[in-house]
Parts: sequence; structure tokens; C-alpha cells
Amino acid sequence: GDSVTQMEGPVTLSEEAFLTINCTYTATGYPSLFWYVQYPGEGLQLLLKATKADDKGSNKGFEATYRKETTSFHLEKGSVQVSDSAVYFCALSSMNTGNQFYFGTGTSLTVIP
Amino acid sequence: DAMVIQNPRYQVTQFGKPVTLSCSQTLNHNVMYWYQQKSSQAPKLLFHYYDKDFNNEADTPDNFQSRRPNTSFCFLDIRSPGLGDAAMYLCATTPGSASTDTQYFGPGTRLTVL
Repeated sequence: GDSVTQMEGPVTLSEEAFLTINCTYTATGYPSLFWYVQYPGEGLQLLLKATKADDKGSNKGFEATYRKETTSFHLEKGSVQVSDSAVYFCALSSMNTGNQFYFGTGTSLTVIP
Repeated sequence: DAMVIQNPRYQVTQFGKPVTLSCSQTLNHNVMYWYQQKSSQAPKLLFHYYDKDFNNEADTPDNFQSRRPNTSFCFLDIRSPGLGDAAMYLCATTPGSASTDTQYFGPGTRLTVL
């Protein structure tokens, strides 16, 4: 079935470093792809999304491009801040999942000053 | 601001003592979801409502029930909580059931079972 595979963590970076969190998907159709962020003790917040191939989602300096040729939706940020420390989830939704969300396992990011 | 609200944020119950978690939304969305999230894991879908239509995931234990008395409110009832039910419970909503729809999450209720 449709699914996402997400880079294992935890990831520790220094402030202002470049961030990449890898996410690849498996789907027979045309899924929508999402990145959610979860701060400690909180619910999930949408960070960005893309609903078709070649779309780029962006928000708060984070970007991800829906690449059908590599079945990927990697999350990037050019310069991370301490406040970006959180868990990041890649997610997929498609007709094959009954339009329900399939979440990746999450990647914990810690940014140190 | 339109939002998803969960009460209480923290709930402590005793082994076997029924507990109800509450979710309300001001987004007027048709679909409401309940997820269970254990430490360092992805959220696991328990069930969802499309309007009044209830959809249970195949592997959701019978111990978990839900009610949606109106569009705005949805409840999660755990009949006889076990130690393994200690988790964060997340409520989410979407406008409809399109694959492009964003899910909007509440802040969660952290359940502790003593």
C-alpha cells in the first residue's frame, strides 16, 4: 500500500546549519504530501504541503519539493534556529489510503546554540 | 481564531476506571479524527467520523469508543483503561475527505494510567 519512509533520527545541528530531512514515498497513484512539526507536549502543526508533482511547499524558511521522478519530498532549511527543535513528520494522503493520512516515523531535531 | 480544542490537556485515571476525552472545533469541518500517539512514535489512527458516519480502524480495540453528538464536538471513551493505553490522544479535523485536505490538530490530551 501507499506509505512514506522517513529518515531516522535523532538529528543534532548547530544553530545556522543547513537541515535536510529525507522522506521518500511509495504510491501507485498521485498522493498529496505533507510535513508536520510537533513541539514537545503539543499536537501536530502543518508546516507545508504539496499536492502534485513539482509543487514546492514552503513556510517559515522550510521548503520541500514534490519530486515524482525520485518519489521524494525532502524537507530543507538553510539556517536552523534553536526554536526549530522539534519532531518532524512526513505524511501522505491518497485515494489508496482512503484519503487518510499515513505518517512517517518522525525525525527528532535538536538545534544547539 | 478558528481552532481545534482538546480538554483536558492532562488526564490521570486509574487502571480500569472509564475516562472520556473531549474535542471541539470551531472550523465547521465535516471530518473529525482520533489518533493515539505513544512516545517517540507516529500517530496511529483509531477512528474517524465523516459527519455522523463512524469509521473504525480494523485494529482499534473494542475498549475504545467514540461519540459525535454534533458537528462541533467529538468524544473518545476508554471503557477500561489499561497501562498500555497511556499515551497522547490527538484530535484532528479536515473540511472533507479529499486527499489534498490538510488535517488540523488539537494540542492533545496526555493520558496517564495509574
